[in-house]
Amino acid sequence: DAGVIQSPRHEVTEMGQEVTLRCKPISGHDYLFWYRQTMMRGLELLIYFNNNVPIDDSGMPEDRFSAKMPNASFSTLKIQPSEPRDSAVYFCASSLEIANTEAFFGQGTRLTVV
Amino acid sequence: GNSVTQMEGPVTLSEEAFLTINCTYTATGYPSLFWYVQYPGEGLQLLLKATKADDKGSNKGFEATYRKETTSFHLEKGSVQVSDSAVYFCALKENNAGNMLTFGGGTRLMVKP
Repeated sequence: DAGVIQSPRHEVTEMGQEVTLRCKPISGHDYLFWYRQTMMRGLELLIYFNNNVPIDDSGMPEDRFSAKMPNASFSTLKIQPSEPRDSAVYFCASSLEIANTEAFFGQGTRLTVV
Repeated sequence: GNSVTQMEGPVTLSEEAFLTINCTYTATGYPSLFWYVQYPGEGLQLLLKATKADDKGSNKGFEATYRKETTSFHLEKGSVQVSDSAVYFCALKENNAGNMLTFGGGTRLMVKP
């Protein structure tokens, strides 16, 4: 398996524009996580899914953020409208539904909102 | 709730020095514990893990022992290399709590030749 695949790797957009980040988890994994990493706040869990169903979205900062998982092999994180303070690296991770197993991370999407 | 506390960085060492990065945790149940490493410009990679008390995880010369009595999982390496320069994250997962990882704040390690 190629691992968790995220796209794009880099995104530069203007304030107010819609941004969509994409993630393909490892085949067969039951859980998918979206994290945001910034210098100030470190690594924050935004939302996670189990079998395509959102389980906990309490980390989503505002209504401007939304996430979907239409099927087991694809998820999106959308920001609309984007703001400069959304600039961060966004990571997607996936894991099996087996106790003691680790999560596997994608390479991340570096988002810059100008 | 669950939480993980790591020593703040950056930690700067000379090559071949001994490394310790402290990690303590708070959990309501019996978590599994992990160390992840993030090299510049990359995602997080699992370095090692331990799933029950007194287990020792090890990989690439790094070790960490799950200490339930002190709720700690300190990362150690006997002789660091320049290539070990990265950010290290301690994390826990409670197996009956949605499979989600709780991360510490990360510790940046810089190894000088």
